[in-house]
Amino acid sequence: QVQLVQSGAEVKKPGASVKVSCKASGYTFTDYYMHWVRQAPGQGLEWMGRINPNSGGTNYAQQFQGRVTMTRDTSISTAYMELSRLRSDDTVVYYCARALGNRDGFDLWGQGTMVTVSS
Amino acid sequence: QSALTQPPSASGSPGQSVTISCTGTSSDVGGYNYVSWYQQHPGKAPKLLIYEVYKRPSGVPDRFSGSKSGNTASLTVSGLQAEDEADYYCSSYAGSNNFVFGTGTKVTVL
Repeated sequence: QVQLVQSGAEVKKPGASVKVSCKASGYTFTDYYMHWVRQAPGQGLEWMGRINPNSGGTNYAQQFQGRVTMTRDTSISTAYMELSRLRSDDTVVYYCARALGNRDGFDLWGQGTMVTVSS
Repeated sequence: QSALTQPPSASGSPGQSVTISCTGTSSDVGGYNYVSWYQQHPGKAPKLLIYEVYKRPSGVPDRFSGSKSGNTASLTVSGLQAEDEADYYCSSYAGSNNFVFGTGTKVTVL
Protein backbone atom coordinates (compact mmCIF):
# COMPACT_ATOMS: atom_id res chain seq x y z
CA GLN A 1 0.00 0.00 0.00
CA VAL A 2 0.94 3.65 -0.28
CA GLN A 3 3.08 4.51 2.72
CA LEU A 4 6.17 6.16 4.09
CA VAL A 5 8.20 4.19 6.63
CA GLN A 6 10.83 6.00 8.65
CA SER A 7 13.86 4.71 10.48
CA GLY A 8 13.82 4.09 14.19
CA ALA A 9 14.46 6.28 17.19
CA GLU A 10 17.94 7.68 17.73
CA VAL A 11 19.91 8.94 20.73
CA LYS A 12 22.75 11.32 19.97
CA LYS A 13 25.19 13.47 21.90
CA PRO A 14 25.30 17.25 21.49
CA GLY A 15 27.39 18.24 18.49
CA ALA A 16 26.83 14.97 16.68
CA SER A 17 24.81 14.38 13.50
CA VAL A 18 21.76 12.26 12.83
CA LYS A 19 20.47 10.84 9.56
CA VAL A 20 16.82 9.82 9.31
CA SER A 21 15.50 7.76 6.42
CA CYS A 22 12.06 7.66 4.84
CA LYS A 23 11.22 4.77 2.52
CA ALA A 24 8.35 5.26 0.10
CA SER A 25 6.25 2.46 -1.31
CA GLY A 26 3.08 2.07 -3.36
CA TYR A 27 3.67 5.06 -5.62
CA THR A 28 6.28 6.50 -7.98
CA PHE A 29 8.84 8.04 -5.63
CA THR A 30 10.10 10.60 -8.14
CA ASP A 31 6.65 12.03 -8.89
CA TYR A 32 6.21 13.89 -5.58
CA TYR A 33 8.24 16.33 -3.51
CA MET A 34 9.24 15.01 -0.09
CA HIS A 35 9.20 17.39 2.85
CA TRP A 36 10.59 17.11 6.36
CA VAL A 37 8.65 18.50 9.32
CA ARG A 38 9.55 18.35 12.97
CA GLN A 39 7.64 18.61 16.22
CA ALA A 40 8.95 19.14 19.72
CA PRO A 41 7.10 17.29 22.51
CA GLY A 42 3.81 19.07 23.14
CA GLN A 43 4.63 21.74 20.55
CA GLY A 44 3.58 22.64 17.03
CA LEU A 45 4.78 21.58 13.61
CA GLU A 46 7.84 23.18 12.05
CA TRP A 47 8.74 22.95 8.37
CA MET A 48 12.38 22.08 7.75
CA GLY A 49 12.67 21.80 4.01
CA ARG A 50 12.01 19.60 1.00
CA ILE A 51 13.67 17.63 -1.75
CA ASN A 52 12.59 17.01 -5.31
CA PRO A 53 13.27 13.27 -5.60
CA ASN A 54 13.43 13.54 -9.38
CA SER A 55 16.14 16.18 -9.63
CA GLY A 56 17.60 16.06 -6.14
CA GLY A 57 17.02 19.80 -5.78
CA THR A 58 16.46 21.03 -2.25
CA ASN A 59 14.94 23.97 -0.41
CA TYR A 60 15.66 24.52 3.28
CA ALA A 61 14.00 26.69 5.90
CA GLN A 62 16.28 29.56 6.80
CA GLN A 63 16.65 28.45 10.43
CA PHE A 64 18.17 25.14 9.30
CA GLN A 65 20.39 26.41 6.50
CA GLY A 66 23.92 25.12 6.95
CA ARG A 67 22.85 22.39 9.38
CA VAL A 68 20.47 20.25 7.35
CA THR A 69 21.09 18.16 4.27
CA MET A 70 18.33 16.35 2.40
CA THR A 71 19.22 13.63 -0.09
CA ARG A 72 17.56 10.72 -1.82
CA ASP A 73 18.34 7.35 -3.33
CA THR A 74 15.90 6.73 -6.16
CA SER A 75 17.04 3.12 -6.56
CA ILE A 76 15.45 2.27 -3.21
CA SER A 77 12.79 5.02 -3.12
CA THR A 78 14.23 6.49 0.04
CA ALA A 79 14.68 10.06 1.20
CA TYR A 80 17.11 11.11 3.91
CA MET A 81 17.38 14.06 6.27
CA GLU A 82 20.68 14.68 8.03
CA LEU A 83 20.93 17.27 10.78
CA SER A 84 24.35 18.23 12.11
CA ARG A 85 25.69 20.03 15.18
CA LEU A 86 22.83 18.69 17.23
CA ARG A 87 21.62 20.64 20.27
CA SER A 88 19.30 19.72 23.09
CA ASP A 89 16.45 21.57 21.40
CA ASP A 90 16.75 19.23 18.42
CA THR A 91 15.15 16.60 20.65
CA VAL A 92 11.97 16.28 18.65
CA VAL A 93 10.01 13.97 16.37
CA TYR A 94 10.97 14.23 12.71
CA TYR A 95 8.40 13.44 10.02
CA CYS A 96 8.74 12.98 6.30
CA ALA A 97 5.68 14.00 4.29
CA ARG A 98 4.78 13.69 0.63
CA ALA A 99 3.46 16.83 -1.06
CA LEU A 100 0.51 16.89 -3.43
CA GLY A 101 2.25 19.43 -5.63
CA ASN A 102 4.92 22.09 -5.88
CA ARG A 103 3.16 24.45 -3.50
CA ASP A 104 0.62 22.11 -2.03
CA GLY A 105 -0.14 20.40 1.23
CA PHE A 106 1.16 17.08 2.51
CA ASP A 107 -1.10 14.13 1.89
CA LEU A 108 1.03 11.25 3.13
CA TRP A 109 3.11 11.19 6.30
CA GLY A 110 5.67 8.87 7.80
CA GLN A 111 5.16 7.55 11.30
CA GLY A 112 7.75 9.90 12.77
CA THR A 113 11.24 9.36 14.18
CA MET A 114 12.11 10.47 17.69
CA VAL A 115 15.60 11.90 18.02
CA THR A 116 16.90 12.51 21.52
CA VAL A 117 19.94 14.70 22.02
CA SER A 118 21.51 14.14 25.41
CA SER A 119 24.96 14.06 26.92
CA GLN B 1 9.24 33.17 8.56
CA SER B 2 6.83 33.56 11.48
CA ALA B 3 4.29 30.88 12.32
CA LEU B 4 0.72 31.50 11.30
CA THR B 5 -1.49 32.49 14.24
CA GLN B 6 -4.20 30.13 15.46
CA PRO B 7 -6.26 30.27 18.66
CA PRO B 8 -4.79 27.90 21.26
CA SER B 9 -8.09 26.19 21.89
CA ALA B 10 -11.65 25.77 20.65
CA SER B 11 -14.53 23.69 21.86
CA GLY B 12 -18.06 22.62 21.09
CA SER B 13 -20.69 20.09 22.06
CA PRO B 14 -21.42 17.04 19.91
CA GLY B 15 -23.39 18.05 16.85
CA GLN B 16 -22.33 21.67 17.03
CA SER B 17 -19.87 23.47 14.75
CA VAL B 18 -16.50 24.92 15.56
CA THR B 19 -14.44 27.27 13.40
CA ILE B 20 -10.69 27.70 13.71
CA SER B 21 -8.91 30.72 12.26
CA CYS B 22 -5.42 30.88 10.79
CA THR B 23 -4.00 34.35 10.35
CA GLY B 24 -0.94 35.10 8.29
CA THR B 25 0.20 37.87 6.00
CA SER B 26 0.01 38.85 2.36
CA SER B 27 3.27 36.92 1.91
CA ASP B 28 1.73 33.60 2.82
CA VAL B 29 -1.99 33.00 3.46
CA GLY B 30 -3.11 36.15 1.66
CA GLY B 31 -0.78 35.72 -1.26
CA TYR B 32 -1.49 32.16 -2.34
CA ASN B 33 -4.40 29.73 -2.49
CA TYR B 34 -2.24 27.01 -0.98
CA VAL B 35 -3.58 26.75 2.55
CA SER B 36 -3.85 23.29 4.05
CA TRP B 37 -5.32 21.96 7.28
CA TYR B 38 -4.22 18.95 9.31
CA GLN B 39 -5.69 16.94 12.17
CA GLN B 40 -3.36 15.33 14.67
CA HIS B 41 -4.35 12.93 17.41
CA PRO B 42 -1.95 12.37 20.34
CA GLY B 43 1.05 10.30 19.37
CA LYS B 44 0.02 10.14 15.73
CA ALA B 45 1.22 11.73 12.52
CA PRO B 46 -0.82 14.61 11.12
CA LYS B 47 -3.57 13.85 8.62
CA LEU B 48 -4.46 16.10 5.71
CA LEU B 49 -8.01 17.43 5.91
CA ILE B 50 -8.07 20.34 3.46
CA TYR B 51 -5.73 21.53 0.73
CA GLU B 52 -5.77 24.51 -1.61
CA VAL B 53 -7.98 26.40 0.86
CA TYR B 54 -11.17 24.33 0.46
CA LYS B 55 -10.46 21.02 -1.31
CA ARG B 56 -10.92 17.74 0.58
CA PRO B 57 -8.88 14.62 -0.13
CA SER B 58 -10.91 11.51 -0.76
CA GLY B 59 -12.05 9.93 2.46
CA VAL B 60 -12.29 13.15 4.45
CA PRO B 61 -15.88 13.74 5.57
CA ASP B 62 -17.67 16.81 4.22
CA ARG B 63 -18.11 17.92 7.81
CA PHE B 64 -14.72 19.52 7.34
CA SER B 65 -14.66 22.65 5.21
CA GLY B 66 -12.15 25.39 4.51
CA SER B 67 -12.29 28.99 3.38
CA LYS B 68 -10.13 32.09 3.17
CA SER B 69 -10.65 35.82 3.33
CA GLY B 70 -7.68 38.11 2.93
CA ASN B 71 -4.85 37.00 5.20
CA THR B 72 -7.03 34.69 7.30
CA ALA B 73 -8.02 31.13 6.50
CA SER B 74 -10.62 29.17 8.42
CA LEU B 75 -11.48 25.54 9.07
CA THR B 76 -15.02 24.66 10.10
CA VAL B 77 -15.90 21.34 11.63
CA SER B 78 -19.64 20.78 11.49
CA GLY B 79 -21.57 18.16 13.38
CA LEU B 80 -18.82 17.70 15.95
CA GLN B 81 -18.08 14.13 16.94
CA ALA B 82 -16.06 12.73 19.80
CA GLU B 83 -13.32 11.60 17.43
CA ASP B 84 -12.85 15.19 16.23
CA GLU B 85 -11.12 15.98 19.51
CA ALA B 86 -7.55 16.57 18.36
CA ASP B 87 -5.00 19.23 17.50
CA TYR B 88 -5.48 21.11 14.24
CA TYR B 89 -2.81 22.89 12.25
CA CYS B 90 -2.95 25.10 9.21
CA SER B 91 -0.10 25.55 6.79
CA SER B 92 0.56 27.77 3.81
CA TYR B 93 2.97 28.17 0.97
CA ALA B 94 4.99 31.27 1.86
CA GLY B 95 6.74 32.07 -1.39
CA SER B 96 10.36 31.49 -2.42
CA ASN B 97 9.99 27.74 -1.91
CA ASN B 98 9.12 28.12 1.74
CA PHE B 99 6.25 26.77 3.79
CA VAL B 100 4.92 27.73 7.21
CA PHE B 101 2.68 26.06 9.77
CA GLY B 102 0.21 27.55 12.19
CA THR B 103 0.66 27.52 15.95
CA GLY B 104 -1.99 24.84 16.37
CA THR B 105 -5.43 24.67 17.97
CA LYS B 106 -6.62 22.07 20.44
CA VAL B 107 -10.26 21.20 19.82
CA THR B 108 -12.22 19.80 22.73
CA VAL B 109 -15.57 18.10 22.31
CA LEU B 110 -17.54 18.90 25.44
